[in-house]
Amino acid sequence: DQQVKQNSPSLSVQEGRISILNCDYTNSMFDYFLWYKKYPAEGPTFLISISSIKDKNEDGRFTVFLNKSAKHLSLHIVPSQPGDSAVYFCAASQLKSGGSNYKLTFGKGTLLTVNP
Amino acid sequence: DAGITQSPRHKVTETGTPVTLRCHQTENHRYMYWYRQDPGHGLRLIHYSYGVKDTDKGEVSDGYSVSRSKTEDFLLTLESATSSQTSVYFCATRLAGGETQYFGPGTRLLVL
Repeated sequence: DQQVKQNSPSLSVQEGRISILNCDYTNSMFDYFLWYKKYPAEGPTFLISISSIKDKNEDGRFTVFLNKSAKHLSLHIVPSQPGDSAVYFCAASQLKSGGSNYKLTFGKGTLLTVNP
Repeated sequence: DAGITQSPRHKVTETGTPVTLRCHQTENHRYMYWYRQDPGHGLRLIHYSYGVKDTDKGEVSDGYSVSRSKTEDFLLTLESATSSQTSVYFCATRLAGGETQYFGPGTRLLVL
C-alpha cells in the first residue's frame, strides 16, 4: 500500500513560469513533510519541509503548501529555472514517533524539466 | 551536508557472490539509513541504525544485513547477490532530534 503518492511521473514547464509538483498521502498519522531534489548520479538533497501545524512554508523561490483535510501537499517553484530540472521526491514522517522509530516514507518522484 | 561518502561508487558482481557497501559519515550523526532506488519505486528503506550496534529492518530488508561497529560507519551486506538487487543504493544520516535525513552520493550496483 503506497502511503505517499506522486501521481505525475513527469512535468515540463517553461523557464520563468511556475512549477507545481503535487503529493498525496493516505496515512493521517503523518505530521511532517519534506521535499528532496535529485540530480542524475547524485544523492537526494533536502529542499524544504513543513510541519502539520502550518499550511505554508516559503524559502526563496520554493513554497510548500499543506492541505491536511485533503491529505495533499504541493511544491511551488517560482520562477522556474533550467537548473531546477531534476527529480523531486515528496517524503512524509511521524514526528510523534520520535527517536529510533522516526522514518521517512517517500513517493516515487516527479521528473521536472524546465525548458529554456 | 553530513559529509557522507559511499564506497564503492560503482560495482559489477555476479549472482551468488557476497557484496558489502560502505557508508562513512564525518558529522557524528546518530541515525543512519540504507535505501535502494529503483524505477517506479522511489526510495525504499532497507535497514537503519539508531546507534552503534543498534539496527532494525526497513520495508525491503530480505536478502540484506547491516552492521554498525562505529558511529561513522554503516555497512550493508548482500549475503548472496541476486539480479533483483541490481539497484542504486543510498546511505542517509540524521542528527538526533532532527527531522531531516542527509544523503550520500549513492552506489550503483549491477548483479549479473
